[in-house]
Amino acid sequence: DAGVIQSPRHEVTEMGQEVTLRCKPISGHNSLFWYRQTMMRGLELLIYFNNNVPIDDSGMPEDRFSAKMPNASFSTLKIQPSEPRDSAVYFCASSLTSGGADTQYFGPGTRLTVL
Amino acid sequence: KQEVTQIPAALSVPEGENLVLNCSFTDSAIYNLQWFRQDPGKGLTSLLLIQSSQREQTSGRLNASLDKSSGRSTLYIAASQPGDSATYLCAVDNAGNMLTFGGGTRLMVKP
Repeated sequence: DAGVIQSPRHEVTEMGQEVTLRCKPISGHNSLFWYRQTMMRGLELLIYFNNNVPIDDSGMPEDRFSAKMPNASFSTLKIQPSEPRDSAVYFCASSLTSGGADTQYFGPGTRLTVL
Repeated sequence: KQEVTQIPAALSVPEGENLVLNCSFTDSAIYNLQWFRQDPGKGLTSLLLIQSSQREQTSGRLNASLDKSSGRSTLYIAASQPGDSATYLCAVDNAGNMLTFGGGTRLMVKP
């Protein structure tokens, strides 16, 4: 299995631009997670999907952030408009089931720099 | 709100030494606790997952213990090797798949 796939791996954009991050979970996994990692705040859960349905988005920092999962093999995290404080590494992860029984498998991350 | 703390933040040891990484959490009502490894510029790799009903898990030279009542977990690495150098993250699951991470321990094993 190829593991969790994220694209792009690096993104540099200017303040005010729209940014779209993409994730392909491991085939057969029913749960998908978006995380953000910064030096100041560490690793934080942004949003969690189960069977393509958003379960908890309490970690989404503000309305500029949105996430979708149109099917079981694809998810996007969009930031519009982007700001310099959004600069971070964004990770996507997937797990086989919900309920806390299975480990999460992480993608390599997208390093976002907003100038 | 769950808070997860890892001590020490950084650790440097000579090759071959046995070492212990510590993780503490404030809310003992957990589903499980997981230890991850993160190499520079890479994603996280799961090392061990301890369910709330378990006391410990072992994988090779790694052993993780869990004491829910005291809100503590330890990751024991036996006979450390330079390849073990990485950041180790502890994560607690309070709500079925929603992980709260500690700040990590950055480990360097010197040859």
